[in-house]
Amino acid sequence: GENVEQHPSTLSVQEGDSAVIKCTYSDSASNYFPWYKQELGKRPQLIIDIRSNVGEKKDQRIAVTLNKTAKHFSLHITETQPEDSAVYFCAASSSTGNQFYFGTGTSLTVIP
Amino acid sequence: KAGVTQTPRYLIKTRGQQVTLSCSPISGHRSVSWYQQTPGQGLQFLFEYFSETQRNKGNFPGRFSGRQFSNSRSEMNVSTLELGDSALYLCASSLQAGGYNSPLHFGNGTRLTVT
Repeated sequence: GENVEQHPSTLSVQEGDSAVIKCTYSDSASNYFPWYKQELGKRPQLIIDIRSNVGEKKDQRIAVTLNKTAKHFSLHITETQPEDSAVYFCAASSSTGNQFYFGTGTSLTVIP
Repeated sequence: KAGVTQTPRYLIKTRGQQVTLSCSPISGHRSVSWYQQTPGQGLQFLFEYFSETQRNKGNFPGRFSGRQFSNSRSEMNVSTLELGDSALYLCASSLQAGGYNSPLHFGNGTRLTVT
């Protein structure tokens, strides 16, 4: 089955700096890669996603890049703010049905 | 639109008991998935239902089962509870139209504690 690895597991940045979280996947048939943000005690919420026919997608301060050849994708957050502090999960779709494999999460802390 | 609703929010059970968790998806969403979230393992896929059929099953023992009703609501059952089953159980629904993967919309989860 698919294996998704996510790094780093924890990340601290100063407010205003950028944060980058990286994920690798093993199944070349995966074609959809969402990112979720989970604040403490809350549900995971989709923040951005990318499909395999696109190399980069941006939404305001958040961007995701995908390298299909190398089988890795990354989340970039620019001009970080304290409210960006949360756990971020990457995910890769299964080649069969609507099943996702999640990374183990990155706990991001933005220091004011 | 109302979001994904899970009940109950919290459950405390003892070893050997069984438990049933409920999930109501977003209106119009026919795909319902269940995930187990633990601090060490992250989110682990349990199973996914679409139009009352289980399409995928994760690597969990047979004690974990589920079903989906004609109105897309889903239930998950865990029998013969073990201490290691203590976790946050998340339900997610998605539109999944046209054969394309679509994003998951999660509920708030059910926090199960087994003592």
